[in-house]
Amino acid sequence: GAVVSQHPSWVICKSGTSVKIECRSLDFQATTMFWYRQFPKQSLMLMATSNEGSKATYEQGVEKDKFLINHASLTLSTLTVTSAHPEDSSFYICSASLQLDQPQHFGDGTRLSIL
Amino acid sequence: DQQVKQNSPSLSVQEGRISILNCDYTNSMFDYFLWYKKYPAEGPTFLISISSIKDKNEDGRFTVFLNKSAKHLSLHIVPSQPGDSAVYFCAASALTNAGGTSYGKLTFGQGTILTVHP
Repeated sequence: GAVVSQHPSWVICKSGTSVKIECRSLDFQATTMFWYRQFPKQSLMLMATSNEGSKATYEQGVEKDKFLINHASLTLSTLTVTSAHPEDSSFYICSASLQLDQPQHFGDGTRLSIL
Repeated sequence: DQQVKQNSPSLSVQEGRISILNCDYTNSMFDYFLWYKKYPAEGPTFLISISSIKDKNEDGRFTVFLNKSAKHLSLHIVPSQPGDSAVYFCAASALTNAGGTSYGKLTFGQGTILTVHP
């Protein structure tokens, strides 16, 4: 149980393009999902908390207009990187848990490369 | 400010021996700790967790120890197997003392690369 699926796994696109990443909880409902970013050889950094039916909560330093989060249902959250530039190239990972006091389970991540 | 630290970037162990991965934290509000295993280009896989009301939790070959006074936790893997070779992250969360949007947020350490030699 507690399977999280993320799509796509790899995206290469031109600078200025907007990219949407999907995160789905396959066998459970998640009122809260989390979005992380990992740069090479660094730790996972929380970007934002995605709340079903309400606005996402962004961490300090994360541009909410740049990284649009939509959590339209209990099983789906999307992250849209708007007008992506090379510095946005990174590994983006989402997570969800059955309850917030239980372990988070992660998707397999999306490798985003902006040319 | 790195609230969760894994001071050893890498660890090399012989198959069959014990692997000990260490993690230190500074935020006294943290009361729930987890260990994750991660392969390149994949998301982290949950291994084991521990609540601050305990000092030890065991699951098969994996045991996590928590020393609250020292703000230190460790993951023991015994016996180590080549398939255990990966990056290990510790993470911490403040459940009891966090409210609203802070509840459930994880802070990760930098990771330790474990290599288990046959």
